[in-house]
Amino acid sequence: KNEVEQSPQNLTAQEGEFITINCSYSVGISALHWLQQHPGGGIVSLFMLSSGKKKHGRLIATINIQEKHSSLHITASHPRDSAVYICAVNKWGGNQFYFGTGTSLTVIP
Amino acid sequence: DGGITQSPKYLFRKEGQNVTLSCEQNLNHDAMYWYRQDPGQGLRLIYYSQIVNDFQKGDIAEGYSVSREKKESFPLTVTSAQKNPTAFYLCASSIGPGYYEQYFGPGTRLTVT
Repeated sequence: KNEVEQSPQNLTAQEGEFITINCSYSVGISALHWLQQHPGGGIVSLFMLSSGKKKHGRLIATINIQEKHSSLHITASHPRDSAVYICAVNKWGGNQFYFGTGTSLTVIP
Repeated sequence: DGGITQSPKYLFRKEGQNVTLSCEQNLNHDAMYWYRQDPGQGLRLIYYSQIVNDFQKGDIAEGYSVSREKKESFPLTVTSAQKNPTAFYLCASSIGPGYYEQYFGPGTRLTVT
């Protein structure tokens, strides 16, 4: 069983819709990261969280440490948001990231 | 501009040949990582290095080798012992190991036939 699970695997939305992507993990962590991978393959870090909530433009990330769960929200979605969104965690005391399999988002104009 | 470069973007090799993927960073980061990405799977760690002249195996190191002779460079060699080498390979770096944000290169898509 993967230590990091994401849902849904695939998501199609109309432009302007509010989008939520979920991430659950089964280990103690020091931080959780949300990453964005564009069709060309490059990966960009969106957020690093250890508690609470962070906002950047139309993106909001939240984490509930007790429930081992994080969500990534996109408000007023746009076709340029189409990408794969990946959740990753750092285990306590470890040097590695552990990655979810990603959520493929397509936003239709 | 600071960042991570990987070359080439696409690489084709015949089965049985070793191939080396390049990764260079000018971010002055101590830690560097190599990941493999396959369809439907999360990124998996091949090797990582916390400091020059030191590196550690990740979850899928078999059939791969690395070196870290310079802070800026962390090349990955895919050897003929790697059973399924065709994949997308991503290099990343961070200020330090573990907790810190990782910065990713653009990746190299390796096809072995």
